[in-house]
Amino acid sequence: GAGVSQSPSNKVTEKGKDVELRCDPISGHTALYWYRQSLGQGLEFLIYFQGNSAPDKSGLPSDRFSAERTGGSVSTLTIQRTQQEDSAVYLCASSLAVGEAFFGQGTRLTVV
Amino acid sequence: GENVEQHPSTLSVQEGDSAVIKCTYSDSASNYFPWYKQELGKGPQLIIDIRSNVGEKKDQRIAVTLNKTAKHFSLHITETQPEDSAVYFCAASIGPGANNLFFGTGTRLTVIP
Repeated sequence: GAGVSQSPSNKVTEKGKDVELRCDPISGHTALYWYRQSLGQGLEFLIYFQGNSAPDKSGLPSDRFSAERTGGSVSTLTIQRTQQEDSAVYLCASSLAVGEAFFGQGTRLTVV
Repeated sequence: GENVEQHPSTLSVQEGDSAVIKCTYSDSASNYFPWYKQELGKGPQLIIDIRSNVGEKKDQRIAVTLNKTAKHFSLHITETQPEDSAVYFCAASIGPGANNLFFGTGTRLTVIP
């Protein structure tokens, strides 16, 4: 594809429900990042995948958050038992090992 | 881990004037410093980056300077235009794609026509 694609673009869910956010990186990009951006705030690092290496999960805020990357391509960020404070824009980015990171448009998650 | 600080958080300039945004970082091993522009409702887009082997890089109206000794880097926008209005983020990494990108907290730039 032409760029990083995220789906859905918007998600409204009830408190306590689980949600899955999808990221399709640029083909061939070995690195994939997930960030969270609360309204008017900066980019909070969540998790980073690089090739076949073990992911860096140091930014995940709680054990309700998990992510996987299948076949070195598509990634899914899962939030279990969503809370209102999980409401934010979730951004995915991908890059080559020595290239710039390209961001998707993000998924706006609203927990009601 | 790396800690990136960015200031100012907001900046207003008159059209045609220059804008400067400054960032500091903590990890001396960082050697890649990109700048991203985020427009409303969109993901951040890279506008310029610099690696530690150079002290300055320029692309038309945008320039970035890096002082590795002081561990700070700056974005300079000259002859600002209304379409430059956006949120700008600096970031630091030990290597693009080789490690996490650590972001500053962002600067909301407003260019007043």
